[in-house]
Amino acid sequence: DQQVKQNSPSLSVQEGRISILNCDYTNSMFDYFLWYKKYPAEGPTFLISISSIKDKNEDGRFTVFLNKSAKHLSLHIVPSQPGDSAVYFCAASDAGGATNKLIFGTGTLLAVQP
Amino acid sequence: GAGVSQSPSNKVTEKGKDVELRCDPISGHTALYWYRQSLGQGLEFLIYFQGNSAPDKSGLPSDRFSAERTGGSVSTLTIQRTQQEDSAVYLCASSPGQGGGNTIYFGEGSWLTVV
Repeated sequence: DQQVKQNSPSLSVQEGRISILNCDYTNSMFDYFLWYKKYPAEGPTFLISISSIKDKNEDGRFTVFLNKSAKHLSLHIVPSQPGDSAVYFCAASDAGGATNKLIFGTGTLLAVQP
Repeated sequence: GAGVSQSPSNKVTEKGKDVELRCDPISGHTALYWYRQSLGQGLEFLIYFQGNSAPDKSGLPSDRFSAERTGGSVSTLTIQRTQQEDSAVYLCASSPGQGGGNTIYFGEGSWLTVV
């Protein structure tokens, strides 16, 4: 049972335009969400997070939106740059639970075309 | 060190052999995780250690997989009698403490190829 789903395996965007990466989850206990970025042959790096008490968190070019009723979150990158080309993983956890186990989606490969 | 350190970075082993993968978490981090990513797949949770609590082993795919964390710091993931489907990158991560809301930080991974 895939509790965190990223239904788009890939996305191609022109440089300067907005990239929107989507993520859906099924577990209503999840209340903390993160996005990680992964370049080939490297470990994932933390990008941005959001708690369920918020519906938006912004950090520079990156904004994460959370729609709890729809169990959906999205990552917006604007303007997109060629260096943003990577695999983006959505992750979720039950922050009120006893562990901090993150459940990851399958990732979306973003290609930003110059 | 400054980040999570994993060794070896690459390992090629014959089917049926045992392998050990090592992880040094960020200094002071009490929580340690192992994930793996098979080709074309997402990040699969394997095991989680937090302080002196019993580890969460719910993600280990079979009894050929085990992990230890000695002294609350270094961890070793052991795969016995390796199979070709064990080929993947094994990622270790650590975070500052217990409870939710902590960001986890990954190492570069150990790339395992079983031939």
